[in-house]
Amino acid sequence: KAGVTQTPRYLIKTRGQQVTLSCSPISGHRSVSWYQQTPGQGLQFLFEYFSETQRNKGNFPGRFSGRQFSNSRSEMNVSTLELGDSALYLCASSLNNLAGGTYEQYFGPGTRLTVT
Amino acid sequence: AQSVAQPEDQVNVAEGNPLTVKCTYSVSGNPYLFWYVQYPNRGLQFLLKYITGDNLVKGSYGFEAEFNKSQTSFHLKKPSALVSDSALYFCAVRFPTSGTYKYIFGTGTRLKVLA
Repeated sequence: KAGVTQTPRYLIKTRGQQVTLSCSPISGHRSVSWYQQTPGQGLQFLFEYFSETQRNKGNFPGRFSGRQFSNSRSEMNVSTLELGDSALYLCASSLNNLAGGTYEQYFGPGTRLTVT
Repeated sequence: AQSVAQPEDQVNVAEGNPLTVKCTYSVSGNPYLFWYVQYPNRGLQFLLKYITGDNLVKGSYGFEAEFNKSQTSFHLKKPSALVSDSALYFCAVRFPTSGTYKYIFGTGTRLKVLA
């Protein structure tokens, strides 16, 4: 089975621009979560989507948004980029079905975003 | 507030020696507990989990973890460390809240295994 894929792997943007990151989960996984990883803050939860609905949300400003498509692929958008948005953005998928599931998350390699 | 603590930023151990990476948590209810490992320039990889049952769980690459409910701990262990185990290790907790659940991660512990 193919793992979680994220595109692009690297991105350089300037302040004020916007960016869209993409994540394709493992086939059959319906839950997709996004995390921001920085050296100082560790792994911070952004949001989780399940069956095209946002099910959980972390404490990030409204500039951070996401969506999930019917094939479970997900996108994350950051508008009006700030220098502090420079980070590794990780996507994770899991089975997480309502009847049970294994609950562990499978992570993609991440998108390294640099804002200058 | 719900939290996960990894009290050591870095753990150094000699190759062949046993290793322990510590994790304690403070969440309500019965959480699910996980360990993940991150190698340089890679995403996190699932190592093992505790859902219920035996307090000692075994995972990938010879790692195991012991769940201790009274001490709210879930320490990661390995009997004999390898240089290739050097990486960043994250403890995570999944817990129910407001009709759904949340995941929180510890801040990570860098394991350095010295040859």
